[in-house]
Amino acid sequence: DAGVIQSPRHEVTEMGQEVTLRCKPISGHDYLFWYRQTMMRGLELLIYFNNNVPIDDSGMPEDRFSAKMPNASFSTLKIQPSEPRDSAVYFCASSPRQGASEAFFGQGTRLTVV
Amino acid sequence: QKEVEQDPGPLSVPEGAIVSLNCTYSNSAFQYFMWYRQYSRKGPELLMYTYSSGNKEDGRFTAQVDKSSKYISLFIRDSQPSDSATYLCAILSSNTGKLIFGQGTTLQVKP
Repeated sequence: DAGVIQSPRHEVTEMGQEVTLRCKPISGHDYLFWYRQTMMRGLELLIYFNNNVPIDDSGMPEDRFSAKMPNASFSTLKIQPSEPRDSAVYFCASSPRQGASEAFFGQGTRLTVV
Repeated sequence: QKEVEQDPGPLSVPEGAIVSLNCTYSNSAFQYFMWYRQYSRKGPELLMYTYSSGNKEDGRFTAQVDKSSKYISLFIRDSQPSDSATYLCAILSSNTGKLIFGQGTTLQVKP
């Protein structure tokens, strides 16, 4: 398996534009997590899914953020409209099951909103 | 209050030193405790995990958990320049699958 695949790797956009980040989890993994990482706040959990169902979205900062998982092999995180304070590295991770199972991370998407 | 607190550092030590990294957590619902390592411009990777109070060793690394104090530690013996990275503690609830991280401590080991 190629691991968790995120796209794009880098995104530069203007304030007010819509941004869509994509993630392909490892096949067979039941859990998918979206995190945001900044120097100031570290790695924050935004939302996570179990079997394509959102379980906890309490970390989503505002209504401008939304996430979907239409099937087991694909998830999106959308920001509309984007703001400069959304600039961060966004990570997607997947894990195979509940319990002490390792979460595997993608390479991240570095988002810059100017 | 954050569910997991970790001093972001940075921490700089000479090669060969013993390194101690620490986190505290607030919610007893979390049963599994992990340490991830993240190199620059990469995603975090699992280093160690444990679920009980006490120590767990893996080579030069020792993970320690004190559930009564809600305190977790990672010790690195004979630190090497290749250990230079950001170390993130993480806690996992086996009931909900929720996995959350501390802020991460940046470690530099100087030759």
